[in-house]
Amino acid sequence: DAGITQSPRHKVTETGTPVTLRCHQTENHRYMYWYRQDPGHGLRLIHYSYGVKDTDKGEVSDGYSVSRSKTEDFLLTLESATSSQTSVYFCAIRGIAGGPGDEQFFGPGTRLTVL
Amino acid sequence: AQSVTQLGSHVSVSEGALVLLRCNYSSSVPPYLFWYVQYPNQGLQLLLKYTTGATLVKGINGFEAEFKKSETSFHLTKPSAHMSDAAEYFCAVSEDTGFQKLVFGTGTRLLVSP
Repeated sequence: DAGITQSPRHKVTETGTPVTLRCHQTENHRYMYWYRQDPGHGLRLIHYSYGVKDTDKGEVSDGYSVSRSKTEDFLLTLESATSSQTSVYFCAIRGIAGGPGDEQFFGPGTRLTVL
Repeated sequence: AQSVTQLGSHVSVSEGALVLLRCNYSSSVPPYLFWYVQYPNQGLQLLLKYTTGATLVKGINGFEAEFKKSETSFHLTKPSAHMSDAAEYFCAVSEDTGFQKLVFGTGTRLLVSP
């Protein structure tokens, strides 16, 4: 158990509303990631963080923003949710060995439905 | 840019049969390669990884994979399937940029019949 929790686990919202997903880790890892999983696409990187207040865009960042004010929390915000953002969202942390090929540990996921 | 291709979105085997899940990658530099497994309604769990050294990598639950640079492949195998192996399997590649950004394949769902 890598000590990663995601909240909420399930959410249904309406188009145009803001949504924030939270990832919390207890392992004091530097690197954190947000992915979305969609059928036929596998997992795609949305944003990642390499330290407090240090974040960068991934492959599918349009419509998403992130914040990391504390080591343990990485927030993903949909400023104005759209139906295309209906997905399962996974948070991950990078192993602390610090070398190439570090494993990433994944949280349990958040299933988001935008109506 | 890196990419991963997993041939076959679904693979069906009988219990006790050989499991072979295919993964081909594209990378401009020596890659780091991973296989993850996802059971229903759960997150992903690492099965095995290749970084450097021995090209045959052994993982958990009896799985192994062989890195073949000439074929740009990293196929996952298990000699004898078990019902509990039914899950979705993802191949992923990373380049050593320091940020360890993973690029995943589209996944292969393994179905195991009795």
